[in-house]
Amino acid sequence: QVQLQESGPGLVKPSETLSLICTVSGDSITDYSWNWIRQPPAKGLEWIGYISDSGSTNYNPSFKSRVTISADTSKNQFSLKLSSVTAADTAIYYCARRRGGGWQDVFDIWGQGTMVTVSS
Amino acid sequence: DIQMTQSPSSLSASVGDRVTITCRASQSINNYLNWYQQKAGKAPKVLIYAASSLESGVPSRFSGSGSGTDFSLTINSLQPEDFAIYYCQQTYTIPYTFGQGTTLEIK
Repeated sequence: QVQLQESGPGLVKPSETLSLICTVSGDSITDYSWNWIRQPPAKGLEWIGYISDSGSTNYNPSFKSRVTISADTSKNQFSLKLSSVTAADTAIYYCARRRGGGWQDVFDIWGQGTMVTVSS
Repeated sequence: DIQMTQSPSSLSASVGDRVTITCRASQSINNYLNWYQQKAGKAPKVLIYAASSLESGVPSRFSGSGSGTDFSLTINSLQPEDFAIYYCQQTYTIPYTFGQGTTLEIK
């Protein structure tokens, strides 16, 4: 079955760049759109952005120009880079597959999440 | 951004009860509305997509309804494993946004 696994440093210093990778198994990243979502401790979910099956990206404007999502089709991975982090970026970061399209868009498969703490 | 407002923020119920959680969008989102369940320490899991379509493998006691701005998730005959946090999500427009969550607790 399809599985997603996030990986990356659990601790990032303020003003530095947070970098995470999501490794997809059981599916090709060229077949769906792939998303990043985060959840600060004891808070709700915030969508960060996605990369589509064609490689186009779309980001949450609240992250302005700090975010970049890219894909490595040879490794069946996609990644998140978030620059100039602050303590407010401390959260569990999830990757998720978006299935459907149009009115049937849904995040149907999620990774287990990885906790990233921003602290000096 | 489209704001998604869930009510109530929390509720207590007993095994066997029927509960309904509502979600209101700040503008019409047709039926671009999904419901997720999140248990402690776990990733969210989709229950309902497109407002009323039951995700494969999800028990039939879960149902969704609504269109436009007002939606609801109903759970019939609550089971012990249903006590969790529930989120609605709109995918009508970017940025995708989630409700603040509804915590369902055991009475």
